[in-house]
Amino acid sequence: GQNIDQPTEMTATEGAIVQINCTYQTSGFNGLFWYQQHAGEAPTFLSYNVLDGLEEKGRFSSFLSRSKGYSYLLLKELQMKDSASYLCAARTGANNLFFGTGTRLTVIP
Amino acid sequence: DAGVIQSPRHEVTEMGQEVTLRCKPISGHDYLFWYRQTMMRGLELLIYFNNNVPIDDSGMPEDRFSAKMPNASFSTLKIQPSEPRDSAVYFCACRSGGQSDTQYFGPGTRLTVL
Repeated sequence: GQNIDQPTEMTATEGAIVQINCTYQTSGFNGLFWYQQHAGEAPTFLSYNVLDGLEEKGRFSSFLSRSKGYSYLLLKELQMKDSASYLCAARTGANNLFFGTGTRLTVIP
Repeated sequence: DAGVIQSPRHEVTEMGQEVTLRCKPISGHDYLFWYRQTMMRGLELLIYFNNNVPIDDSGMPEDRFSAKMPNASFSTLKIQPSEPRDSAVYFCACRSGGQSDTQYFGPGTRLTVL
């Protein structure tokens, strides 16, 4: 079957760095996405990894290890507006995205 | 571009009623996806279309659910009859071709079945 595990909740301080981990077991793995979702809003794309390694995009970075079935999202210089849910999703096949239940991040002053 | 448009944004109905959710994808995006999001199960893919043709409907929970895409700019998700366990947020998403292209989500329809 398919499974994605990520922590349910995390809390971090404004200005700090936080790492959100995701482990996955899927068949036909074809890439790993991270989405951000503010409460009551639609998910928005943050990053995509298909090869092993780190992808950096401003304050956000994402890492993938295919052999370990592991990814993380790194958020630097946290801001209050970063309080949101972060969804890890594995692409299986050509178009199917299998999502985890998300990690709700709370940034405190 | 206005992005993905969904209507209605909120729907409250009684058990047994028919519910129709609507989606207008981004122009030129030939893949369209319907998702359901609940606290317990997260975001689940229900069905997706490519060039208006349903490709994978394995996520559709049961025969009460049906989806259509009569043209490139419009899709519907229908629930008949609706049940309280169908209460969720339903998202429509779309993407263009290519392996790394992301999916763009609409604002969602919050459905409450009493």
